[in-house]
Amino acid sequence: DAKTTQPPSMDCAEGRAANLPCNHSTISGNEYVYWYRQIHSQGPQYIIHGLKNNETNEMASLIITEDRKSSTLILPHATLRDTAVYYCIVAYSTLTFGKGTMLLVSP
Amino acid sequence: DAGITQSPRHKVTETGTPVTLRCHQTENHRYMYWYRQDPGHGLRLIHYSYGVKDTDKGEVSDGYSVSRSKTEDFLLTLESATSSQTSVYFCATLGPPGGSSGANVLTFGAGSRLTVL
Repeated sequence: DAKTTQPPSMDCAEGRAANLPCNHSTISGNEYVYWYRQIHSQGPQYIIHGLKNNETNEMASLIITEDRKSSTLILPHATLRDTAVYYCIVAYSTLTFGKGTMLLVSP
Repeated sequence: DAGITQSPRHKVTETGTPVTLRCHQTENHRYMYWYRQDPGHGLRLIHYSYGVKDTDKGEVSDGYSVSRSKTEDFLLTLESATSSQTSVYFCATLGPPGGSSGANVLTFGAGSRLTVL
């Protein structure tokens, strides 16, 4: 059973920032927050992960609240190719995938 | 994805026949995983391996067996396929630490679509 809660779907206009929320109120001190996405029929793709600090890479930014009970994945300039299911996972070793958020980016 | 090859990519078989799916990696990663994905269930872990000849069960291991005789190969076997095993199967490896937080990350293969008639 997933330890995270995500909205089932979100919409975003192309070129705008997409902010995907995730609640993980039972996260343990040694568990990381991971984000993956899955474009239709493809294998899941790693996006970013963090422990306590905010993180940024070439794909996205991850904002983790100070109490670590929630986080937000930010795609700064969403494109049509970002349409996918986004999974938020908290884990130390074995990752368990929930149902994720279906992000639809529209022109 | 780069470094992980799954074969076959598509297979149709009949109930009761044995099926073996192969995952080959070139990254020399110690940990390897088999997941299945079905509508309404998301990704579910079948088995994983933490080294050559070291394997363990995941949440949906019934009806499946695995073997790892070499670091680069992880085989998933359905001894007697059933229609309930129709699914898309993904292999993954656990890579070295990345980013400023030292945690391994999963890299997935392209998937193997299995249909059991």
